[in-house]
Amino acid sequence: EPEVTQTPSHQVTQMGQEVILRCVPISNHLYFYWYRQILGQKVEFLVSFYNNEISEKSEIFDDQFSVERPDGSNFTLKIRSTKLEDSAMYFCASNDVKDSPLHFGNGTRLTVT
Amino acid sequence: GENVEQHPSTLSVQEGDSAVIKCTYSDSASNYFPWYKQELGKGPQLIIDIRSNVGEKKDQRIAVTLNKTAKHFSLHITETQPEDSAVYFCAASIRRGADGLTFGKGTHLIIQP
Repeated sequence: EPEVTQTPSHQVTQMGQEVILRCVPISNHLYFYWYRQILGQKVEFLVSFYNNEISEKSEIFDDQFSVERPDGSNFTLKIRSTKLEDSAMYFCASNDVKDSPLHFGNGTRLTVT
Repeated sequence: GENVEQHPSTLSVQEGDSAVIKCTYSDSASNYFPWYKQELGKGPQLIIDIRSNVGEKKDQRIAVTLNKTAKHFSLHITETQPEDSAVYFCAASIRRGADGLTFGKGTHLIIQP
């Protein structure tokens, strides 16, 4: 069964550094998402992306965050200047059409020191 | 915006017994309610979903009920097995295509052998 893949599985970075989290959505999917989960807390929506542009973003997704689909397969989340509170699991997800189930990757654990 | 409350935070049941997890939502415009299962070190996996034009949906040992008037929905797992042990999240959204899901805080389900 096709799956969403994320790399790296764990990223450690120093406060103030830039990080890029990478995702390869399922190949025929058109809608892409980033969510985050702070340890022990609920999964929070960050941003959705369709037709090469952001469709919706949450209050968490401020100017420090950006997303990009640089080629036909990758979908990236960039955090420009990381803060301690950015430490979390970041999940990429995708689906093919409206109202279809989201498929999540296994996440990237980001640790900001 | 949408707010989703989930109870209980932890649920311990004997193997073979039933488990019920309940969620409430705030936005009456929400019309899509998925349930996700998250195992340790993995991303959320969809187990069942329901739309607002349906009151109940069942898939083998798993069922979801929706009460639009009261704005609550519940997950029912019958004949629980050890592999059902995981964290379960409810979510809600207003489906307009690439929209984000609002998740509950999760229920840690423990199946006692």
